[in-house]
Amino acid sequence: QQQVKQSPQSLIVQKGGISIINCAYENTAFDYFPWYQQFPGKGPALLIAIRPDVSEKKEGRFTISFNKSAKQFSLHIMDSQPGDSATYFCAASSSGGSQGNLIFGKGTKLSVKP
Amino acid sequence: DAGITQSPRHKVTETGTPVTLRCHQTENHRYMYWYRQDPGHGLRLIHYSYGVKDTDKGEVSDGYSVSRSKTEDFLLTLESATSSQTSVYFCAISESKTTYTGELFFGEGSRLTVL
Repeated sequence: QQQVKQSPQSLIVQKGGISIINCAYENTAFDYFPWYQQFPGKGPALLIAIRPDVSEKKEGRFTISFNKSAKQFSLHIMDSQPGDSATYFCAASSSGGSQGNLIFGKGTKLSVKP
Repeated sequence: DAGITQSPRHKVTETGTPVTLRCHQTENHRYMYWYRQDPGHGLRLIHYSYGVKDTDKGEVSDGYSVSRSKTEDFLLTLESATSSQTSVYFCAISESKTTYTGELFFGEGSRLTVL
């Protein structure tokens, strides 16, 4: 019940296309859902995050869509660029949850072809 | 970039030897974390610290110990390294205990190979 299931494991998208990464969870106490971006040889960095009081959050070309009833959330990257090539991790935690309770998905390696 | 330095960045060691990884921060953040990253497993928490000499176990703590004698330093020790501990280790810091009020900042990682 503590797991966050992420798919696909890898994704290849053409430049200008839309990249979509999906995550699902079981624990209904989860109420904070961040996405982290990791470039090769670097540590992960927070990209965007959402709380379940909204169904969508957009920051530039990056959008999180959240479906509370389905217990799913997804990351959409519009107009994907080669510079977006990285590994993306979704994560989840519960109300007031400590950073130490942040549960990560297994990651999606995105390659954007020029 | 958050001021986090991990050392060493790369290390090759033999089974049974002790290994210590160091995380040094210049942000004066109270909370520090050690994660390991393995293909197919994502990021898993090993240990974390809420302050000097205040540490707790994470999801995969067996075979690891930590110490924090100063705010800026968080050490991860493998008392007797095993091949299953071959991994990339990330230190992270946060100024806030909860995910609502602060984000995690990660170091660049330490790649450990145990032969």
